[in-house]
Amino acid sequence: NAGVTQTPKFQVLKTGQSMTLQCAQDMNHEYMSWYRQDPGMGLRLIHYSVGAGITDQGEVPNGYNVSRSTTEDFPLRLLSAAPSQTSVYFCASSSGLAHSYEQYFGPGTRLTVT
Amino acid sequence: GESVGLHLPTLSVQEGDNSIINCAYSNSASDYFIWYKQESGKGPQFIIDIRSNMDKRQGQRVTVLLNKTVKHLSLQIAATQPGDSAVYFCAENVTPMDTGRRALTFGSGTRLQVQP
Repeated sequence: NAGVTQTPKFQVLKTGQSMTLQCAQDMNHEYMSWYRQDPGMGLRLIHYSVGAGITDQGEVPNGYNVSRSTTEDFPLRLLSAAPSQTSVYFCASSSGLAHSYEQYFGPGTRLTVT
Repeated sequence: GESVGLHLPTLSVQEGDNSIINCAYSNSASDYFIWYKQESGKGPQFIIDIRSNMDKRQGQRVTVLLNKTVKHLSLQIAATQPGDSAVYFCAENVTPMDTGRRALTFGSGTRLQVQP
């Protein structure tokens, strides 16, 4: 199993550009989520999904869109990039088992918006 | 590698000593807690978890203690090694009955530096 994979690893955008961060998992996990990590802060939840076709907002959803058309993939779209979105983005997945809350994280995407 | 936190609190210990990393959580309804380790340039890696109906859980060289009265969590690492140097995050989970949401709220992290 590859676990949780993310692409790209690094990205530089100009203000106003749009792009999609890719996330995929091969563990058949129902739950997937996106976090951003800024210096000096813990991870903050952007959006999450409890299954294919179902998404919801986290703590900091503004400026981001998500969709979940398959169990495996959970892309994060930046609609119009802003310097405040410069961050490291992590995708995570978790099984739907009642006694399993552990989240598995991808390696991250470092995004710089100039 | 990247720096995951430029202004994190730092705990510096000598190799072989025991380390204790503390975390205060805010939500008394949190029902599950995890400690993650994050090395430079990598995603968080699971260390150990504990449910709210427990006050102690042990793993290999690690112990997590939960004090619900004061909403405090600690991670104890025995015989700390240079490979333990990383940023450590506690995270809490609350599962609202109406959403089924399963996502974690993270603390801001503590950097552990192990001196050889």
